[in-house]
Amino acid sequence: QQQVKQSPQSLIVQKGGISIINCAYENTAFDYFPWYQQFPGKGPALLIAIRPDVSEKKEGRFTISFNKSAKQFSLHIMDSQPGDSATYFCAASMLRTGNQFYFGTGTSLTVIP
Amino acid sequence: GAVVSQHPSRVICKSGTSVKIECRSLDFQATTMFWYRQFPKKSLMLMATSNEGSKATYEQGVEKDKFLINHASLTLSTLTVTSAHPEDSSFYICSARLDPGYTFGSGTRLTVV
Repeated sequence: QQQVKQSPQSLIVQKGGISIINCAYENTAFDYFPWYQQFPGKGPALLIAIRPDVSEKKEGRFTISFNKSAKQFSLHIMDSQPGDSATYFCAASMLRTGNQFYFGTGTSLTVIP
Repeated sequence: GAVVSQHPSRVICKSGTSVKIECRSLDFQATTMFWYRQFPKKSLMLMATSNEGSKATYEQGVEKDKFLINHASLTLSTLTVTSAHPEDSSFYICSARLDPGYTFGSGTRLTVV
C-alpha cells in the first residue's frame, strides 16, 4: 500500500515557469513532510521540509503548501531553471513515534530552456 | 553540514561473489541507519533498518541472508550483498536519522555480470 501518493509522474516546464508537484497521504500520524531532489546516479538531497503546524514554507524559489484538512501538500518551484531538472520525491514521516519514513513515487521534472 | 558518506559509488562484480557497501555518518552518530534499493525511474524501497549493536530489521520480502547488514559502530553500517546475481543489480542508498529528518548517502550502483 502506497502511504504517500505523488503526482504527476513526469512534468515538463518552460524555463521561468512554475513547477507544481502534488502529494497526498492518509495517515494523520505523519508529522514531518520533506521534499527531496535527486539527480541521476546520486542520492536524494533534502530540498525543503514542513511540519503540519504551518500551511506554507518558503525557501528561495521553493515553496511547500500544506493542507492538513485535505491531507495534501505540494511543492512549487518558481522561476524554474534547467538546473532544476531532476527527480523530486515527497515523503512523510512520524518523527515523534518512530523511524517510519515513506517516499512518494517520484516526479521527473524537465525544465526546457 | 552533517554528511552520510557511502562507498563505493559504483561496483561491478561477477555472479556468485559478494559485495560490501559501506555507509558512514560524518560529524554525527547514527544509532539507526536505513538501506534502500532503487530501480531505474522508480522510488526508493526501504530494505532494512540497521540498529547499532543489534540485529537489523528487514522489510517484508527482503532476504536477510542475502542482504547482510552490520551496524557495528555509531558511525558505520555495512550492507553485504551475498552470492550476487544479475537481478541484484540496482542502486543502493543508505540514510541516517538526523533530526529533524534524514540525510542520505550518494548511493552505490551495483552491477552484477
